[in-house]
Amino acid sequence: DAGITQSPRHKVTETGTPVTLRCHQTENHRYMYWYRQDPGHGLRLIHYSYGVKDTDKGEVSDGYSVSRSKTEDFLLTLESATSSQTSVYFCAISWGQDAYEQYFGPGTRLTVT
Amino acid sequence: DQQVKQNSPSLSVQEGRISILNCDYTNSMFDYFLWYKKYPAEGPTFLISISSIKDKNEDGRFTVFLNKSAKHLSLHIVPSQPGDSAVYFCAASDPQTGANNLFFGTGTRLTVIP
Repeated sequence: DAGITQSPRHKVTETGTPVTLRCHQTENHRYMYWYRQDPGHGLRLIHYSYGVKDTDKGEVSDGYSVSRSKTEDFLLTLESATSSQTSVYFCAISWGQDAYEQYFGPGTRLTVT
Repeated sequence: DQQVKQNSPSLSVQEGRISILNCDYTNSMFDYFLWYKKYPAEGPTFLISISSIKDKNEDGRFTVFLNKSAKHLSLHIVPSQPGDSAVYFCAASDPQTGANNLFFGTGTRLTVIP
């Protein structure tokens, strides 16, 4: 098991409130990723990081921001949650540019009411 | 626009038989392909992968085949076991992203009937 934890595992929040999800790894992997999983869409990349303070946008980044101040932590923030952001969020890690395999955390189920 | 497609949302197979899961892609720049398995309430787990320079990769009961000209890959599971029942995602890596970002299909739910 890759040492990846996500917190919280479940969250219900109201429209318009900010939400932060945390991904923590103990593997010292360079790359970290945030995905969302929705029916009919599979997993879609939100943001990714290729090092401390180095982040970039993925396919579905609107309404999300990220921060990585330490190698082990990657935070995903929904600035003002909307019902369309109700989803399951997965964090993933990989070694680096020569590694293709990504290893996933257990996920966070977020419901925006 | 979905660059990786899994056109079969579900598949049922008898225990002991072969399971064949299919995946098509549109981006000819993809250079590495992966299969993930996902159980309910868990994260996806890496299963097997193949580089675009190969046409087959085998790992125990799992074999992945790649047909670049057809932009098609498949995962064969032989023999299928009840514990293989899960959702399977294929994914492709785009080298142009610099971080080997993965593009996922929508998944196929495999049910292995005892």
